Amino acid sequence: EVQLVESGGGFVQPGRSLSLSCGASGFSFEEYAMHWVRQSPGKGLEWLAGISWRSNSRGYAESVKGRFTISRDDDKNSLFLQMNSLRPEDTAVYYCAKDMRNGWYRGAYFESWGQGTLVTVSS
Amino acid sequence: QSVLTQPPSASGTPGQRLTISCSGTSSNIGSDFVSWYQHLPGTAPKLLIYRTNQRPSGVPDRFSGSASGYSASLAITGLRSDDEGEYYCAAWDDSLSGPVFGGGTKVTVL
Repeated sequence: EVQLVESGGGFVQPGRSLSLSCGASGFSFEEYAMHWVRQSPGKGLEWLAGISWRSNSRGYAESVKGRFTISRDDDKNSLFLQMNSLRPEDTAVYYCAKDMRNGWYRGAYFESWGQGTLVTVSS
Repeated sequence: QSVLTQPPSASGTPGQRLTISCSGTSSNIGSDFVSWYQHLPGTAPKLLIYRTNQRPSGVPDRFSGSASGYSASLAITGLRSDDEGEYYCAAWDDSLSGPVFGGGTKVTVL
């Protein structure tokens, strides 16, 4: 059974940084593309970033480009999201999601999701 | 404001057929497959439909997807009380070079 467990969320002041992690199990992590998706309070889902297998390719939504960095460690079956220059509008539940393919580009194939971790940005 | 447009709410009685629409443009639904996700309270989102009309293993055939032009639909037949939750459509957007979601439709079973 695929399991994705996010961690690292919490309360942070505007302008500060936070790093999220996602531990994966139940599948060959290194063979699949992975994503980060968030849901702000009272709003819908928003794709943030995707990374292909072998980290060959990464992509970001305009709202986080230049501030967030997605990475992966296949030896540790882990996905990461480094978030810098955080803003109050970044307050959300952050989900990691497994793609059905090894590439993230072109398509919306979020096959499995974690339970999410809450990030609150406030002074 | 979401790139894909969904009605904010939909409701039906047990056993009824319910349809949720998702409207886009030529840069998303008009040029790529659509996927649908179910997000029940307190749970992780779940993939219901991919490639517009394909069901992952384990998803009951009560759920079906279709698309025409710049619009897509999710149909739920034999509506059940445990279908209550939020439903999202998604598709790749060529203009934004990334996946985009609809705003979500809250399904209520009366």
